[in-house]
Amino acid sequence: DTEVTQTPKHLVMGMTNKKSLKCEQHMGHRAMYWYKQKAKKPPELMFVYSYEKLSINESVPSRFSPECPNSSLLNLHLHALQPEDSALYLCASSRDLFYTGELFFGEGSRLTVL
Amino acid sequence: AQKVTQAQTEISVVEKEDVTLDCVYETRDTTYYLFWYKQPPSGELVFLIRRNSFDEQNEISGRYSWNFQKSTSSFNFTITASQVVDSAVYFCALSERTQGGSEKLVFGKGTKLTVNP
Repeated sequence: DTEVTQTPKHLVMGMTNKKSLKCEQHMGHRAMYWYKQKAKKPPELMFVYSYEKLSINESVPSRFSPECPNSSLLNLHLHALQPEDSALYLCASSRDLFYTGELFFGEGSRLTVL
Repeated sequence: AQKVTQAQTEISVVEKEDVTLDCVYETRDTTYYLFWYKQPPSGELVFLIRRNSFDEQNEISGRYSWNFQKSTSSFNFTITASQVVDSAVYFCALSERTQGGSEKLVFGKGTKLTVNP
């Protein structure tokens, strides 16, 4: 079983909806990540949090809003998305920001925007 | 900029065959890390190995082995006696230091391996 839990596993939303993706880990990791993966493509980094502070934002559109309420939780708030935002959204964690290689990934939330 | 090339888009083998997945990288950093991840159909990426640029020793873990050759900028992955459960997409990745001093991963495009019974 994966140690990074993501909910929901599947989400369908309209372009005017507001929804959130959630991610939780209890490994004591201090860095957490959001990746976006389109079909047959590698994961693309979106955001990185280190010690609950936003460390990297890869120029992601503002319709994606990350939040890290505590060291175990990471949210991705979605608003006014476009159909091209449909993808698998992967959450990951690592021991700390400078140990990015050994990432632990969740199974992802598959998002469909209608 | 860092770059990872996995020239093999898809590979299909029959169970028990050996298979090698190729990875070639480009970097200007003198210190860097290379990785392999496995992504089964369930979706999560599974970390397989991390190798730093100063350690060119090959590594073996069960049926998996990795051949790191700095001279050719390659980090190839071999599965011996493949099994159906090895069917997945495999990503090679390279660490990249950001302007802020942290690190992120640069992934190759992945190689889809299908092992047929």
